[in-house]
Amino acid sequence: GAVVSQHPSRVICKSGTSVKIECRSLDFQATTMFWYRQFPKQSLMLMATSNEGSKATYEQGVEKDKFLINHASLTLSTLTVTSAHPEDSSFYICSASPSGSRETQYFGPGTRLLVL
Amino acid sequence: EDKVVQSPLSLVVHEGDTVTLNCSYEVTNFRSLLWYKQEKKAPTFLFMLTSSGIEKKSGRLSSILDKKELFSILNITATQTGDSAVYLCAVEGRDSGAGSYQLTFGKGTKLSVIP
Repeated sequence: GAVVSQHPSRVICKSGTSVKIECRSLDFQATTMFWYRQFPKQSLMLMATSNEGSKATYEQGVEKDKFLINHASLTLSTLTVTSAHPEDSSFYICSASPSGSRETQYFGPGTRLLVL
Repeated sequence: EDKVVQSPLSLVVHEGDTVTLNCSYEVTNFRSLLWYKQEKKAPTFLFMLTSSGIEKKSGRLSSILDKKELFSILNITATQTGDSAVYLCAVEGRDSGAGSYQLTFGKGTKLSVIP
C-alpha cells in the first residue's frame, strides 16, 4: 500500500515551454501533497505544500507564478513549470500524506526535468 | 533563518562496523526532526523525533533527539552494503509570523559500506 506515482519520470523540453508533472496517490487519499526539488549532489528543498481544494503554500524564494501547483482532488496534484529555462533543470519529487503529517509522507519516484 | 547541519558529509566503513551520523539544527518553534534514507531516487522515511531522550529503533537503526543541545544522532549497527545511501536529516520549524511549518533539510551524509 501507500504508492505514489509521478508522471512523466523524465522530460526534456525547449526553453520557454511549460511542463506539467503529475503526482498521484494510487491507493490512498492524500489530504496534503508536498513538492520538492533536488539539484545534483544536493539535498531536497521543499518548494510548496498543497492541500486539496485550497491554494498551495510556497516556501520562501519559490516563485508561485513560475511553479503552478494544483491539487484538485485527493489523489492528484500537478506541478507546472511555466516558461521553463535551463536553470529549472532538476529532479522534482512529490510526496503525499493521508493525514497531512510529515511522518506519514510517501514519496513518488521523482521526475527528471532537462530544459535545453 | 533555519539551519540544519549534518556531519560527516561522507563516510566509508566496512561491513559490520557501527556508524553514528549527526544532525544539529537551529530552528524557530521546533516541531519535529525527521531522518530519511535516499538511495537512487526518492527518499524513504526512517524516523520522526519530537521528544528528547526517547530512542526510536527499527532493526539495526536507532535514533535519538536532544532538544536541549539541538542535535540528533542516527546509529546503524552491524552495517551492510545495503545501508549505502545518503541519509538526510530534516527539521520542522515555524517562523513566529508565519502560519505554516517549514521543513529544512540538511545536506545529507553519504554512507558507503564496503564488503
